[in-house]
Amino acid sequence: ETGVTQTPRHLVMGMTNKKSLKCEQHLGHNAMYWYKQSAKKPLELMFVYSLEERVENNSVPSRFSPECPNSSHLFLHLHTLQPEDSALYLCASSQGSTVSNTEAFFGQGTRLTVV
Amino acid sequence: DAKTTQPPSMDCAEGRAANLPCNHSTISGNEYVYWYRQIHSQGPQYIIHGLKNNETNEMASLIITEDRKSSTLILPHATLRDTAVYYCIVRVVNQGGKLIFGQGTELSVKP
Repeated sequence: ETGVTQTPRHLVMGMTNKKSLKCEQHLGHNAMYWYKQSAKKPLELMFVYSLEERVENNSVPSRFSPECPNSSHLFLHLHTLQPEDSALYLCASSQGSTVSNTEAFFGQGTRLTVV
Repeated sequence: DAKTTQPPSMDCAEGRAANLPCNHSTISGNEYVYWYRQIHSQGPQYIIHGLKNNETNEMASLIITEDRKSSTLILPHATLRDTAVYYCIVRVVNQGGKLIFGQGTELSVKP
């Protein structure tokens, strides 16, 4: 248990569906991150929120839409996804916005399957 | 972003020390070296980090060379549960302190 909770743990959705992934932390962290991990590949950074502002968007398609309503919650809204978007989506948080000497904690991820 | 280079795979006998190397020759003076591991399809687990001094905790030791261009993660007595992909990361100091993952080293601990 890292203190970062992701829901749901598993999600199967059709290409025309709209769904949202949720990430929650009550560690008092000020930075939150979304990563994508496709099969047998390293983690790819998607989005970074620092002090509730988006500071990085790594050329992610617009069918992925992040939202950070407050410092404890991060969402990833999904719509009209493609089968190649099937992957493990990981959320992390840290005090990285203000402290460089601090670790990030990861959630257990959401296993997404697009059919 | 400073890049890291790690061997793609390593084997280690159970009970022996596992020494995982990492090259980070473009590291900047204020960037930390972090190590994480990922056991099959779980979220990455923090292991240890350091700036220039050697560090030790209950999981591992981190040895950083004097010029900071490389480091070694040491698992002193590897167990089967240490089988995982180990990532060496140079952490960016701004932009929310993002972690950029490379390919990592797949460590197999064998009985």
